[in-house]
Amino acid sequence: SAVISQKPSRDICQRGTSLTIQCQVDSQVTMMFWYRQQPGQSLTLIATANQGSEATYESGFVIDKFPISRPNLTFSTLTVSNMSPEDSSIYLCSVESRFDYEQYFGPGTRLTVT
Amino acid sequence: GQQLNQSPQSMFIQEGEDVSMNCTSSSIFNTWLWYKQDPGEGPVLLIALYKAGELTSNGRLTAQFGITRKDSFLNISASIPSDVGIYFCAGSSRASSNTGKLIFGQGTTLQVKP
Repeated sequence: SAVISQKPSRDICQRGTSLTIQCQVDSQVTMMFWYRQQPGQSLTLIATANQGSEATYESGFVIDKFPISRPNLTFSTLTVSNMSPEDSSIYLCSVESRFDYEQYFGPGTRLTVT
Repeated sequence: GQQLNQSPQSMFIQEGEDVSMNCTSSSIFNTWLWYKQDPGEGPVLLIALYKAGELTSNGRLTAQFGITRKDSFLNISASIPSDVGIYFCAGSSRASSNTGKLIFGQGTTLQVKP
């Protein structure tokens, strides 16, 4: 399995500001994903980030609010823009194994918006 | 859209007891994955299932891919205190598109009484 790190691990931000979350993988992967996990809830896919192309967003998520970059095969960023308290969640990146369809998750970024 | 119904929502059991949880879907999945999430951590992959009827074990864990491809269950035998956490099922209906999108169940919170 891949080793995935995320920065920051947690942050407290003010309403109206933006936060960029970084995801680093220890090996090259084709597909990376960003999920949101609201307090006490399950995981919801925000978007799929493929290197060299625009991210594909799920229904209810838009690029202006959650811009994503994928500059290479080991790194991606997710920005949470113009934050409101409703954006308080855990944000998780995941990668898909090159050899099968298994997905592995990073430790998550716990965001609190005040 | 696709939905997964996971049950039970929570379980409080005695150490040494066996545990069973399941997920059902309104549509067919090609892959079923089971994850465990500890507080403050990202989900960790426990078992992956790829074929209808497949029964796979990982230590004290056993999971099955339902024949109809619309359900899966996870059993934990002889539970121990470190089994405490939230268990999620996730399904993928990947076909030729190779999207890798996972749909998650609502989670089963397991508490084990020593």
